[in-house]
Parts: sequence; structure tokens; C-alpha cells
Amino acid sequence: GDSVTQMEGPVTLSEEAFLTINCTYTATGYPSLFWYVQYPGEGLQLLLKATKADDKGSNKGFEATYRKETTSFHLEKGSVQVSDSAVYFCALRGGYQKVTFGTGTKLQVIP
Amino acid sequence: DVKVTQSSRYLVKRTGEKVFLECVQDMDHENMFWYRQDPGLGLRLIYFSYDVKMKEKGDIPEGYSVSREKKERFSLILESASTNQTSMYLCASSPPRAGDYGYTFGSGTRLTVV
Repeated sequence: GDSVTQMEGPVTLSEEAFLTINCTYTATGYPSLFWYVQYPGEGLQLLLKATKADDKGSNKGFEATYRKETTSFHLEKGSVQVSDSAVYFCALRGGYQKVTFGTGTKLQVIP
Repeated sequence: DVKVTQSSRYLVKRTGEKVFLECVQDMDHENMFWYRQDPGLGLRLIYFSYDVKMKEKGDIPEGYSVSREKKERFSLILESASTNQTSMYLCASSPPRAGDYGYTFGSGTRLTVV
């Protein structure tokens, strides 16, 4: 079945550092890919998405490119802020409307 | 502002109690979902529904049931709560083409069973 693997956390960075959170997936066909963010005490929010190969999703300075050849959708940001501290989930939507989530990566940004 | 509302943020129940978790969305979405979130396990799908009165089992339905009598409301029922059901429960909704729009999540209910 479908699965998503993302890097173990927590990831601790200094403010203005470059961020990469790795995500790879296994799915049949051509899934849509997502990154969600969960701030402390809240539900998940959609951060960005890509629906086909080579698409780049972007939002709030975050980017991720749908790489079919490597089955990856790595999240990047050029300069993180303290307010980016959260848990980030990679996810895919395969068939039948179901979304499969990764286990989440906690990001802590220190001033 | 469109949203998904879960009735309780925190809930403490005793072992063996019947527990109802309520979720209401105001976006006229067809699809609704219940997940539980546990450290190291991410989000696991319990049940989902594509329309009123219909339901489908997710990956971990054991010990749970659901009800969807109206389009905007999707209830999760723990028939006889157990301590291993202590968790964060997240409700989500989406239009039919979830691949294009993703999900909208509620803020979650943290359930503790003692």
C-alpha cells in the first residue's frame, strides 16, 4: 500500500539557517503530494502541495518539488524563523480520496 | 472563516465508558475523516465518510464506530473506552477532489482514558 517516510526529528536550527526536511514515498500511479504543518496545540494546516511530477509547491517561503524519479518531496526553506517551530508532516493522496501521512518531523528554531 | 470544529479540546474519561467525539464543518464538504495522532506513529486513519449515512473503515477501526446523520457532522464513538485509546483525535474534511485541495483539520481533542 501507500506509504510516506520522512526524516526523524527533532531538527534544531538557529534562526536564519537553511532548512531541509526529507520525504520519500511509495505509491502506485501518480499521487498528489502535500506538506502539512502543526503548530503547538493546534490541528494540521495545509502548507503546500504538488499534484504532478516536476511541480513545485510553495507557501510562506517554504518550497518542495515533486520528484517522480526519486519518489521524493523534500521541504526546504532558505531562512527559518522562530515562528516556524512546529511539526511538519509529509503526505500523499493516492486512490480513493485517502491521504497517507508520514510520522512527522519536529522543527525547533532557536534565536 | 471556514473551519472544522471539534467539540472538546481536552477530555478525561474512565475505562469502560462510552465516549462521543463530535466534529462539525461549515464548508459543505462531502468527505470527513477521523484520525488519531500518537508520538512516533504519525496520523492513523480510523474511519472516513464520503456522504451522509455512509462510512468506511480506515486502518485502525477496532474499538471505534462512527455516525454521520447530517452532512456537516461526523461523530466518533468509543464503545467502551480503554487506556490504549488515550490519544489526540483529529477530525478533517475535504471536498471530493481531496488531491487538489487537501484536508481542513480541526484543532484536535486530547482524550485521556483513566
